Amino acid sequence: GEDVEQSLFLSVREGDSSVINCTYTDSSSTYLYWYKQEPGAGLQLLTYIFSNMDMKQDQRLTVLLNKKDKHLSLRIADTQTGDSAIYFCAEKMGTGANNLFFGTGTRLTVIP
Amino acid sequence: GAGVSQSPSNKVTEKGKDVELRCDPISGHTALYWYRQRLGQGLEFLIYFQGNSAPDKSGLPSDRFSAERTGESVSTLTIQRTQQEDSAVYLCASSFTRDTDTQYFGPGTRLTVL
Repeated sequence: GEDVEQSLFLSVREGDSSVINCTYTDSSSTYLYWYKQEPGAGLQLLTYIFSNMDMKQDQRLTVLLNKKDKHLSLRIADTQTGDSAIYFCAEKMGTGANNLFFGTGTRLTVIP
Repeated sequence: GAGVSQSPSNKVTEKGKDVELRCDPISGHTALYWYRQRLGQGLEFLIYFQGNSAPDKSGLPSDRFSAERTGESVSTLTIQRTQQEDSAVYLCASSFTRDTDTQYFGPGTRLTVL
């Protein structure tokens, strides 16, 4: 089956950049997503990228996609304490797939 | 407009009892998804509804799990004869269409089976 992998933990100092990485196995992915989950809250969609793009920027967020290596990353510039959360990458497969496949999440801790 | 809502937010039940979880999708969203998130893990797909089409039940872990949705409205996820391993957060998501969908998630129902 599909396999989406993320490192479990990341700590950064406030003001630094955070880079959260994700690898996936299926090359037929059409869309790749980043979701944020704060304690006790549901998933919040941060951004997504089409599989035919290699970069997308949205304010402090930059998504990089290396389709050859099946590697997705999320860079958060000027990380703030409010960015502390669990970040999930998810992939949507090609035609016929109904659901998203999620990684296990990366817990980002921002140190003041 | 309102987002996806789920109820109850927390449910504690005894092993062997049945539970019903409810999801109200965003109005106009034709697709609805149920996921399960066990403690410290990613999301696990359970079931998908698209309009009046037959649901995709491929993620349901056992026949104790079932879900219903009438048209494009509310969905209920039912777990019969609950087991301790059913303890998890159950998340519902909805999207406007399947192909371009961006899934919007509800806050989840935390189920604890004692």
